[in-house]
Amino acid sequence: QKEVEQDPGPLSVPEGAIVSLNCTYSNSAFQYFMWYRQYSRKGPELLMYTYSSGNKEDGRFTAQVDKSSKYISLFIRDSQPSDSATYLCAMSAGGGSYIPTFGRGTSLIVHP
Amino acid sequence: DGGITQSPKYLFRKEGQNVTLSCEQNLNHDAMYWYRQDPGQGLRLIYYSQIVNDFQKGDIAEGYSVSREKKESFPLTVTSAQKNPTAFYLCASSFSGVGQETQYFGPGTRLLVL
Repeated sequence: QKEVEQDPGPLSVPEGAIVSLNCTYSNSAFQYFMWYRQYSRKGPELLMYTYSSGNKEDGRFTAQVDKSSKYISLFIRDSQPSDSATYLCAMSAGGGSYIPTFGRGTSLIVHP
Repeated sequence: DGGITQSPKYLFRKEGQNVTLSCEQNLNHDAMYWYRQDPGQGLRLIYYSQIVNDFQKGDIAEGYSVSREKKESFPLTVTSAQKNPTAFYLCASSFSGVGQETQYFGPGTRLLVL
């Protein structure tokens, strides 16, 4: 079992839909959780960063962490065609194990 | 404009040839990283460096080499020992200490074998 599991998709939704992207993990030491967005043939860009459990909101994006279930989510409200990209989750234990472990990424397609 | 630059954008390698990918950052980050990305496989760590003149192997270091002579620069050499080098290579950097969990990525170099 991989440390971080992420469904590769593709996930296809109509414009305006609420999108839910998810990752599960097995390492209970993870306490830093990141979401990156990667457009085709580009480098990933940091979208959201969360420490420990709880929610964090930034515009149309909400990151949610449930450490008890070892489950993290990224919600995108009012999705736009420009949101079409691959979304990678990443997580780290911090301290001496700071290098993040990445999920495989979920491909999202928002069609007009 | 602060950021990470990688060059070239595309690189072609002949059999038996060593090629070097450039990575430069002006974010004043201490740590730098090299990842390989293959379709459907996510990011795999090749090498990383936390400080000048020091670096550590990642999960897939065989067939690659790096140097860290300057804080701003972390070039990656793909040697002839790497038998399947075709991939998208990503360089990243981060602070050390607080905030080191978040990495910032360059635009990537796509390496193709002729």
